[in-house]
Amino acid sequence: AQKITQTQPGMFVQEKEAVTLDCTYDTSDPSYGLFWYKQPSSGEMIFLIYQGSYDQQNATEGRYSLNFQKARKSANLVISASQLGDSAMYFCAMREGDNRGNQFYFGTGTSLTVIP
Amino acid sequence: EAEVAQSPRYKITEKSQAVAFWCDPISGHATLYWYRQILGQGPELLVQFQDESVVDDSQLPKDRFSAERLKGVDSTLKIQPAELGDSAMYLCASSPRDSTDTQYFGPGTRLTVL
Repeated sequence: AQKITQTQPGMFVQEKEAVTLDCTYDTSDPSYGLFWYKQPSSGEMIFLIYQGSYDQQNATEGRYSLNFQKARKSANLVISASQLGDSAMYFCAMREGDNRGNQFYFGTGTSLTVIP
Repeated sequence: EAEVAQSPRYKITEKSQAVAFWCDPISGHATLYWYRQILGQGPELLVQFQDESVVDDSQLPKDRFSAERLKGVDSTLKIQPAELGDSAMYLCASSPRDSTDTQYFGPGTRLTVL
């Protein structure tokens, strides 16, 4: 089974509107971390936001927020007030466990296009 | 701000040739990762180091790929011989010793095998 599933290959959003990028995960480990990264066409992966499995509140970082629904095993990224510079690939990732040696699992990504 | 350095940024080679990529993590970061990202897919872990030791190389094609981090600082990933299917982006990332809450990625090396 896939550890991380992103079902939206491509998304479009009007500038200044909000958009939600979906992510579901699969793990039986009670301790894990969920991440979102942005990858512009230049190729570099840019960290956006992190949610720990024991965090009680949804993570927020500026215009980014993570809608964490533990029972549904979903960790959707919400981008508010979209900007043209938000056009990029977005990857959801998970780290299982809380030890240093655990690896990260990435989804297949969602391509976001912001329309002027 | 400290960054992960990678070189070269782009590499074009012919199949059966040898190629090498270099990564210098953020100073003090104990954990170093090499990922391969095929176009249209998410990154796939190839090898993970903790200091100079390999923690996970289960997805590394060991018949042609090798990786080392001799002094626990910078790292080299080598492919010999390169195959057409190796064309991809090779990403290096690092994490601090006491936290894997995030990984800091370098700009990547885009490899094209002709």
